[in-house]
Amino acid sequence: AQTVTQSQPEMSVQEAETVTLSCTYDTSESDYYLFWYKQPPSRQMILVIRQEAYKQQNATENRFSVNFQKAAKSFSLKISDSQLGDAAMYFCAFAITGTASKLTFGTGTRLQVTL
Amino acid sequence: KAGVTQTPRYLIKTRGQQVTLSCSPISGHRSVSWYQQTPGQGLQFLFEYFSETQRNKGNFPGRFSGRQFSNSRSEMNVSTLELGDSALYLCASSYLADPYNEQFFGPGTRLTVL
Repeated sequence: AQTVTQSQPEMSVQEAETVTLSCTYDTSESDYYLFWYKQPPSRQMILVIRQEAYKQQNATENRFSVNFQKAAKSFSLKISDSQLGDAAMYFCAFAITGTASKLTFGTGTRLQVTL
Repeated sequence: KAGVTQTPRYLIKTRGQQVTLSCSPISGHRSVSWYQQTPGQGLQFLFEYFSETQRNKGNFPGRFSGRQFSNSRSEMNVSTLELGDSALYLCASSYLADPYNEQFFGPGTRLTVL
């Protein structure tokens, strides 16, 4: 079975600063995807960034980037130049290639952005 | 393009009743997945449908069931409701049933069981 662990229940960052959210996972599979989803107070889950396990290059989407360490089974999210709109719950998720779209989620990290 | 829609948005039921939730995927999407979100258990996968066939099922009792229609709309049903079924139920759609395809989530249905 796959597990996803987010050890930081809450994080806080000042506007314009950088913050890193941690995620570790456990799997015996070699072919999988990792995701970071954002769930704002409106509750609509939004995909922030995605990483294919076979790719060594870390994914980047504008101010969002990941640090994917496959051997360590670590997948952290870095948010640069934080904005008030980044305040939300962030979920790390995992899916095995070829097993439909089943996502296994971590428990989430609540990110506060302060002025 | 319209997003994933879920109806109703809020629902209050009593123990022992049954409930049906509906999810309309993004036009052209053929895969619909359902998730239960609770403060205690977090986000848990319920099941996934693709082209009217259940492709994957999570670890939930048989009281939880679903189906998908030929237009890709999906329903999930919970029979004999228990207090612990109170949750936000999210559905997500994607073009194909593969993690490569981005899943788009709906706003959820908030179910309260009294």
